[in-house]
Amino acid sequence: GENVEQHPSTLSVQEGDSAVIKCTYSDSASNYFPWYKQELGKGPQLIIDIRSNVGEKKDQRIAVTLNKTAKHFSLHITETQPEDSAVYFCAASERGGSYIPTFGRGTSLIVHP
Amino acid sequence: DAGVIQSPRHEVTEMGQEVTLRCKPISGHDYLFWYRQTMMRGLELLIYFNNNVPIDDSGMPEDRFSAKMPNASFSTLKIQPSEPRDSAVYFCASSRQTSTGELFFGEGSRLTVL
Repeated sequence: GENVEQHPSTLSVQEGDSAVIKCTYSDSASNYFPWYKQELGKGPQLIIDIRSNVGEKKDQRIAVTLNKTAKHFSLHITETQPEDSAVYFCAASERGGSYIPTFGRGTSLIVHP
Repeated sequence: DAGVIQSPRHEVTEMGQEVTLRCKPISGHDYLFWYRQTMMRGLELLIYFNNNVPIDDSGMPEDRFSAKMPNASFSTLKIQPSEPRDSAVYFCASSRQTSTGELFFGEGSRLTVL
């Protein structure tokens, strides 16, 4: 089955700095890579995703990159703000008849004002 | 849209007691998932249903855990008897088969077993 490794487990930055979270996956058949943000006391919520036919995707201050050869994908947050503080999860799955994501262990991002 | 609704939000119980967690998925969603979140293991998939049928329960830790989905709008996760190591936040999520693949999570049920 799929195995997703996520690093770092904790990331502390100053407001305005950039934050990068990295994930690797094991199953070369995976072709869909979502990122979820979990705020305190809430369930994870999808913030951005990328498919294997795309190398990079941006949405305002967040961007994701994918290197299928190396089986790496990353989340980049620029100009971080205190409200970006949360736990971020990467996931990988194979889009097909059914879709079951395998999640990484999560990264706790703390943005200091 | 009301989103995925879970109850109770918090449950404190004593070891040996039965615990039932409830979930109402988003109307029209074909898939329902139960996850457990702990500091040690992160988000673990326990079981998922497709059109009310359990598809994969390999993540259910022991026979003490059971899940049902009697209809498209309701699912339960039961732990009997409960143990302190079952303390965790349990999430229900749903998704639409023909969608982008996004999972919609409820706000979770925090279980504490004393």
